[in-house]
Amino acid sequence: SQKIEQNSEALNIQEGKTATLTCNYTNYSPAYLQWYRQDPGRGPVFLLLIRENEKEKRKERLKVTFDTTLKQSLFHITASQPADSATYLCARGGDSGYALNFGKGTSLLVTP
Amino acid sequence: DTAVSQTPKYLVTQMGNDKSIKCEQNLGHDTMYWYKQDSKKFLKIMFSYNNKELIINETVPNRFSPKSPDKAHLNLHINSLELGDSAVYFCASEAGGSTDTQYFGPGTRLTVL
Repeated sequence: SQKIEQNSEALNIQEGKTATLTCNYTNYSPAYLQWYRQDPGRGPVFLLLIRENEKEKRKERLKVTFDTTLKQSLFHITASQPADSATYLCARGGDSGYALNFGKGTSLLVTP
Repeated sequence: DTAVSQTPKYLVTQMGNDKSIKCEQNLGHDTMYWYKQDSKKFLKIMFSYNNKELIINETVPNRFSPKSPDKAHLNLHINSLELGDSAVYFCASEAGGSTDTQYFGPGTRLTVL
């Protein structure tokens, strides 16, 4: 089966710095990758989608890259704020149907 | 208005009981999903319904059965609950197509004693 790996379970950074989260996938490249944010006690919320043929996608302070050679996506939050503290999930199109295959997530903590 | 809602928010029950979790979406989406998030926060697909037809059924015990009375609802019924069923269950909906984003409900925390 196709795996999604987010190797860092937790990432602590100082306010104002850039947070970089990593998502690696196995086997063939997915048609797209999605990034979600999940706050404690809440459901995941969609942030960004990047397709296989796109190198980079931006939305306000967020940037996502897709490197098919490294089989990796990087998720960046620039000028990070304590309000950015949450768990960030990477997901790819599943092996069957349209279900998403999620990584375990990276818990980001931004301290003042 | 809440896009995807689930009830109840919390569910505590004894082993062996039967329970249901309800999900409703008011987005007019064609596809709905059930996910299970375990204690390690791993989010795993359980079921998917598209226009009232089951299109995904991962290796989930047959004690779990999705029921969709109409396009806006996808309920999850669980028979003979086991300790290992304790988790947070999320409902999600999607407009359609393989690249559309999914909209998640707030989750139902199930605790089996």
